[in-house]
Amino acid sequence: DIVLTQSPALAVSLGQRATISCRASQSVSISRYNLMHWYQQKPGQQPKLLIYRASNLASGIPARFSGSGSGTDFTLTINPVQADDIATYYCQQSRESPPTFGGGTKLELK
Amino acid sequence: QVKLLQSGAELVKPGASVKLSCKTSGFTFSTSYMSWLKQVPGPSIEWIGWIYAGDGGTNYNQKFKGKATLTVDKSSSTAYMDLSSLTSEDAAVYFCAIYSSYMGWFAYWGQGTLVTVSS
Repeated sequence: DIVLTQSPALAVSLGQRATISCRASQSVSISRYNLMHWYQQKPGQQPKLLIYRASNLASGIPARFSGSGSGTDFTLTINPVQADDIATYYCQQSRESPPTFGGGTKLELK
Repeated sequence: QVKLLQSGAELVKPGASVKLSCKTSGFTFSTSYMSWLKQVPGPSIEWIGWIYAGDGGTNYNQKFKGKATLTVDKSSSTAYMDLSSLTSEDAAVYFCAIYSSYMGWFAYWGQGTLVTVSS
């Protein structure tokens, strides 16, 4: 299975930029498609899709969220961070079955 | 709008089975892929499998073969997951989700069902 590695936590100040990284144990890109997706999960709630195929904003997601990357290294950026963004963020790959998730990065206030 | 409403929390005895449900609305269920996922704090989120509502075809994570059985009822737009021979390792929150079979993301999620295994 493809292993996705995320830092456990990131502390950020409101109004600043947050950069969350995800590294895959092997490439998750096929041709021009980068098969990495990002989710936000708040305590007691279900995950919500933020970004699909590395850089595409899901429906209804604010433009302060963006994604980038290819191959094995991917980034989710939140700029500027708002109070409502305090949550845990997960990456997920669909390059190979089974689809796998990173361990999550908890975004905290500095 | 898209809604996935899961059944309530379950307390089950070791060795028993449980059936979870996921009632959907707001999209064309009969042409959708419904997935189930397991979340335990620490080990993160695991994909259990998906079922194509159109014909009941399934694809399971090897890890969950024999543990989980996915079914659907097209008449009520509801997806089900049976978990058998429960142990403490099956205690978790289980989510249903709409799976984008084209490129593999989970577009919408249910609110989750907590399964507790205890005698």
